[in-house]
Amino acid sequence: EVQLVESGGGLVQPGESLRLSCAASGFFFRNYWMSWVRQAPGKGLEWVANINQAGSATYYVDSVEGRFTISRDNAKNSLYLQLTSLRVEDTAVYYCAGPLNDHVPDYWGQGTLVTVSS
Amino acid sequence: DVVMTQSPLSLPVTLGQPASISCRSSQSLVHSDGNTYLNWFQQRPGQSPRRLIYKISNRDSGAPNRFSGSGSGTEFTLKISGVEAEDVGVYYCMQGTRWPWTFGQGTKVEIK
Repeated sequence: EVQLVESGGGLVQPGESLRLSCAASGFFFRNYWMSWVRQAPGKGLEWVANINQAGSATYYVDSVEGRFTISRDNAKNSLYLQLTSLRVEDTAVYYCAGPLNDHVPDYWGQGTLVTVSS
Repeated sequence: DVVMTQSPLSLPVTLGQPASISCRSSQSLVHSDGNTYLNWFQQRPGQSPRRLIYKISNRDSGAPNRFSGSGSGTEFTLKISGVEAEDVGVYYCMQGTRWPWTFGQGTKVEIK
C-alpha cells in the first residue's frame, strides 16, 4: 500500500523559513518523479514543484521560484520542500504527491498546513 | 501558463441523475509525444484529492465505472452517469502537458 506522510508544517512569521518532509512507502521511491502541490484555505489547487528520480532536475511554479527548494533523499525514501522568505500568500496545505506516472501523481498525502502570519 | 476553465462552478444534482462537468484549456493539451495529459481529480470534504481519470478517459482502478472522461485538444468533459451521495465534493481538471501544470478552479457537486 502506497503511503505518503507529510510533516513539518506550522505557524511562522513573514520572511521566515520552514522545511517540509514527506515519508514515502509502498513503491520504489527512487524510480519516480515526485511533486509538491498546495491548497490555500478554501481555495483551489496549485502545483508547486516537481523533482526527477535523481534529484538533478527540478521545476517550480513562478510564484515560488528562488524561494522554495524541492529535494529528495532516496536512501531515506523521503521528499523535502524547503520554504524560505515566506509570505502571507504562501499559507496553504502542502501535499506531497506521487509517484508521477504519465505526468500525474498516482497518490497524495494527507497534507501539512503552513500558516504565515504576523 | 495554460489556463484551465471549468463550468459550472457549482452543480446541484438529484441523486441518481447524471452530471457533467466541462473543462476547457487555453492551449492544446496534446504533448509532443502525442499524448494528452488531461486528468480529473475528486476532493471530498476534508480529504486529499484523489485521481479519477488520467489521459482524458482512463479510469483509475478505484474509481467507480459511473465516472467517465472524454474530449480532445482543448475541450474535455467528466460525466457521472448517476450521482450517488458519496460523489459530493469538488472536482478538478488538471493538465500535465505544459509546465507549470495547472488545475481548473474546481466544480462543487452537491445533492439537491
